[in-house]
Amino acid sequence: KQEVTQIPAALSVPEGENLVLNCSFTDSAIYNLQWFRQDPGKGLTSLLLIQSSQREQTSGRLNASLDKSSGRSTLYIAASQPGDSATYLCALNTGFQKLVFGTGTRLLVSP
Amino acid sequence: NAGVTQTPKFQVLKTGQSMTLQCAQDMNHEYMSWYRQDPGMGLRLIHYSVGAGITDQGEVPNGYNVSRSTTEDFPLRLLSAAPSQTSVYFCASSYRDRGSSYGYTFGSGTRLTVV
Repeated sequence: KQEVTQIPAALSVPEGENLVLNCSFTDSAIYNLQWFRQDPGKGLTSLLLIQSSQREQTSGRLNASLDKSSGRSTLYIAASQPGDSATYLCALNTGFQKLVFGTGTRLLVSP
Repeated sequence: NAGVTQTPKFQVLKTGQSMTLQCAQDMNHEYMSWYRQDPGMGLRLIHYSVGAGITDQGEVPNGYNVSRSTTEDFPLRLLSAAPSQTSVYFCASSYRDRGSSYGYTFGSGTRLTVV
């Protein structure tokens, strides 16, 4: 059974810092890995999707990497802003668009 | 373009009652799914559908029923509500095109409390 772990569970940083969120998984047989953002009381917003054949994806200040052999993905956020405060979830597509989620990292960026 | 619409947003049920959570998408996505989110456990897949008339169980299907009579709608039925079904429920739709490009859209959730 695929298990997904996200470390740290919570992170508090001052504005402007670069930060890294980690996601590890136990089964490398995945179609893709996705990072989502969830704001309190809201749904999920897709940030980046990495295909299983890719190593990384970038969008603005966000960069996500994927290393299937070690079962790890990282989300790098450059020059963090208070508006980045949210919970970040990684999710693996195990087939038929079924997603297995990690428990998330709760990020707080203070001004 | 509404995306994925879930109703109701909030619901309180008594133990043993039944109800249906509604989910509709207007993007002509082939795939739809239901997840529940509980504190400390992340989102877990309840049921999913790969097209109209085709559904299958996810990780935590017990106590829930689904059907997919149209591409647009994917309702989730609670047959006899139990306190353990207190959770936030998310519906999602997704597509995959020939170029292996994927897209996922989530609804805003239904917060269900069973007393």
